[in-house]
Amino acid sequence: QLQLQESGPGLVKPSETLSLTCTVSGGSISSSSYYWGWIRQPPGKGLEWIGSIYYSGSTYYNPSLKSRVTISVDTSKNQFSLKLSSVTAADTAMYYCARQLTIFGVVPRYYFDYWGQGTLVTVSS
Amino acid sequence: EIVMTQSPATLSVSPGERATLSCRASQSVSSNLAWYQQKPGQAPRLLIYGASTRATGLPARFSGSGSGTEFTLTISSLQSEDFAVYYCQQYNDWPPSLTFGGGTKVEIK
Repeated sequence: QLQLQESGPGLVKPSETLSLTCTVSGGSISSSSYYWGWIRQPPGKGLEWIGSIYYSGSTYYNPSLKSRVTISVDTSKNQFSLKLSSVTAADTAMYYCARQLTIFGVVPRYYFDYWGQGTLVTVSS
Repeated sequence: EIVMTQSPATLSVSPGERATLSCRASQSVSSNLAWYQQKPGQAPRLLIYGASTRATGLPARFSGSGSGTEFTLTISSLQSEDFAVYYCQQYNDWPPSLTFGGGTKVEIK
């Protein structure tokens, strides 16, 4: 059974960089059928896609966050990571990592089929 | 960017009744739409993809329909475990982009 687990500091100071890692178990991050994504959810609010990465390192980011986001992958550790710079209180959220099915063609599939439990990150001094 | 708008924000329904949730796209997303369910303190769970295909193990009381810009998630007879928040997500714009709707909370009437 595939499992994803987020890890990282739960408290980050304003203007600093938020760093999280997602460890994948029960499957390979190097599979050609998946991207791996980060999604966040501010308290009491909806879901926001942050960005996604392929095992080769190809990335796509939400335009609204692109200037501050870096997602990287370490296939040797079966992990991918998120860095969000210059954080403010508005970046306080539950951060989820998820597997994004990636099948091109006449009937494309690009949705998230497995999610981690999430990790709450609070931005505060 | 494609904007996804869900309505209503909150839907009050009695157990056993039918719930109809709407999702509208700012431009056509064909049938490239997924629905997710999120219960308090849990991660979202995939319900529907391709606008109408149920995920593995999903009860038949859940159904999705629509294409283009108008989509519907119907729960035919609400069970206690169905009270949750539901999100739609378009993936027609991938790559490079994915967007979620703002969510509909289904609460007990």
